[in-house]
Amino acid sequence: SAVISQKPSRDICQRGTSLTIQCQVDSQVTMMFWYRQQPGQSLTLIATANQGSEATYESGFVIDKFPISRPNLTFSTLTVSNMSPEDSSIYLCSVEFPGIYYEQYFGPGTRLTVT
Amino acid sequence: GQQVMQIPQYQHVQEGEDFTTYCNSSTTLSNIQWYKQRPGGHPVFLIQLVKSGEVKKQKRLTFQFGEAKKNSSLHITATQTTDVGTYFCAGTNTGNQFYFGTGTSLTVIP
Repeated sequence: SAVISQKPSRDICQRGTSLTIQCQVDSQVTMMFWYRQQPGQSLTLIATANQGSEATYESGFVIDKFPISRPNLTFSTLTVSNMSPEDSSIYLCSVEFPGIYYEQYFGPGTRLTVT
Repeated sequence: GQQVMQIPQYQHVQEGEDFTTYCNSSTTLSNIQWYKQRPGGHPVFLIQLVKSGEVKKQKRLTFQFGEAKKNSSLHITATQTTDVGTYFCAGTNTGNQFYFGTGTSLTVIP
């Protein structure tokens, strides 16, 4: 089975700064997604990271706040920009593998605390 | 707007008792998936259902997709402490929009 890793696993950041989270998969995937999960809550989809083109953002999320890159079929980054305490959350990437539709496999997550 | 609600939100059971969580969508789903998230962990894919009325089993877990494809259930027989976690359904509607359910947190008392 594929290995999905995220870096950093956790970070504490000051308000007004930005943090870039990396998601790496050890095999090629078709789809990559970024989610946010508050403690004890469900997952909220931020955006779909499209390889070679701009990400597709869900309602309530914008590119200026959450720029996303996906330079190839195994790697994506999510940046949380100009952070405020409200951005404190767990950020998760997930992937879909070729030929396996709608089944998502998640990275271990990045726990972000903004002070 | 689209909502995928799960009930109950929390469930405490004695080890050995059965457990069921129900997932209800406000609109028709083209498919549904179930995930388990252990405390401190990330969601882990369990199963996908795509057909109306479909039933699938994984050992003590039974998954069902409703005839109208707007609801689903997960039933665990004879719970064990290893079943502890939050169970999420997730589905894609006919507009190809994807939503996670609100989740059911299961506690198993030894």
